[in-house]
Amino acid sequence: DTGVSQDPRHKITKRGQNVTFRCDPISEHNRLYWYRQTLGQGPEFLTYFQNEAQLEKSRLLSDRFSAERPKGSFSTLEIQRTEQGDSAMYLCASSRDGSYGYTFGSGTRLTVV
Amino acid sequence: AQRVTQPEKLLSVFKGAPVELKCNYSYSGSPELFWYVQYSRQRLQLLLRHISRESIKGFTADLNKGETSFHLKKPFAQEEDSAMYYCALSGQNTNAGKSTFGDGTTLTVKP
Repeated sequence: DTGVSQDPRHKITKRGQNVTFRCDPISEHNRLYWYRQTLGQGPEFLTYFQNEAQLEKSRLLSDRFSAERPKGSFSTLEIQRTEQGDSAMYLCASSRDGSYGYTFGSGTRLTVV
Repeated sequence: AQRVTQPEKLLSVFKGAPVELKCNYSYSGSPELFWYVQYSRQRLQLLLRHISRESIKGFTADLNKGETSFHLKKPFAQEEDSAMYYCALSGQNTNAGKSTFGDGTTLTVKP
């Protein structure tokens, strides 16, 4: 197991296009999280899964964002009709449970032009 | 609501000097606190968690519930400690596991 993998590493898209990111967590971890980080800020919570169930979604997240984790393995995060304000680093993390802390992926850097 | 405040954006010390990175939190229940570190061009990684009461790379952190703080300390800083440090809080309730992060402190250790 090589840790948490995210794909792609970088994505440049035109405003209005849809984008999808993938995250492969550590196989033994049943929790998977998505965060967003912009320059000078800490990671901001988006959503998280326990196995295949999406347990919470941030109220700050617009309806253009959707995440899935079919079969409780990898997860995808889709952003529809991208806006320039969506430009950020999108981080995925996994954990065994909350008290162990997270293992992060390298992130996907999204630039909307 | 959960909130984490790291009052210092930047902190600079000389090699061999003590270092303390401050973290204050706001949470109504019993928190679980963590420190994460991000070295240059590396991914964010867990440094330590308060529940394990461990020392990692010479760093320690004590949870002070009275002052709602979880400051990170090291008695003798090394150049390789230069990095971005984030404090994070997780609640011990049905949403346990969702962490709230501070905005980070950039530590620079000068030779």
